[in-house]
Amino acid sequence: AQKVTQAQTEISVVEKEDVTLDCVYETRDTTYYLFWYKQPPSGELVFLIRRNSFDEQNEISGRYSWNFQKSTSSFNFTITASQVVDSAVYFCALSERRTSGSRLTFGEGTQLTVNP
Amino acid sequence: IAGITQAPTSQILAAGRRMTLRCTQDMRHNAMYWYRQDLGLGLRLIHYSNTAGTTGKGEVPDGYSVSRANTDDFPLTLASAVPSQTSVYFCASSDSPGSRTEAFFGQGTRLTVV
Repeated sequence: AQKVTQAQTEISVVEKEDVTLDCVYETRDTTYYLFWYKQPPSGELVFLIRRNSFDEQNEISGRYSWNFQKSTSSFNFTITASQVVDSAVYFCALSERRTSGSRLTFGEGTQLTVNP
Repeated sequence: IAGITQAPTSQILAAGRRMTLRCTQDMRHNAMYWYRQDLGLGLRLIHYSNTAGTTGKGEVPDGYSVSRANTDDFPLTLASAVPSQTSVYFCASSDSPGSRTEAFFGQGTRLTVV
């Protein structure tokens, strides 16, 4: 069965620091997709990125970057020069093509607090 | 564009009562889902529907039922609420059941069972 682990329950940083959120996953499928979602204090879930298992290229979007490494089953998320508005709970999630379609298995979430 | 609308936004419910959480989407997505969010556990799938007329059980289906009479609506029913069903419930949809498509979420329903 698939599993996603976000070992960091809470992270607190000072504004402008870089911060990396860790995500480790387990799956038996060879085709799968990884996602990151952001949940700001208002409570909604905001999609950030999707990565398929065949594409190990790192991706950068503004201050956000993602490092996907199949060898270590990790899909880490880095925020560069963090801002107060980045304060949120961040979820990593996995879907397997073989068994779950787009039904997502979520990690426990990491609460990021960026202090001014 | 509304996307996904959930109702009510929040509810306090007496144990033993029946409750239906409503979810409507206007994106004509085929697949819909119900998740519950609990502190320290992330989001867990309750039930899903790959297309109108079909439903399936997720990770934590006990005590919940769903129906999918049409594409747009996917209500979640608690037949007899218990305090352990206190949670935040999210409805979601995706364009297809395929694993490559991201899910879009409603704003959530905060349910407290007392």
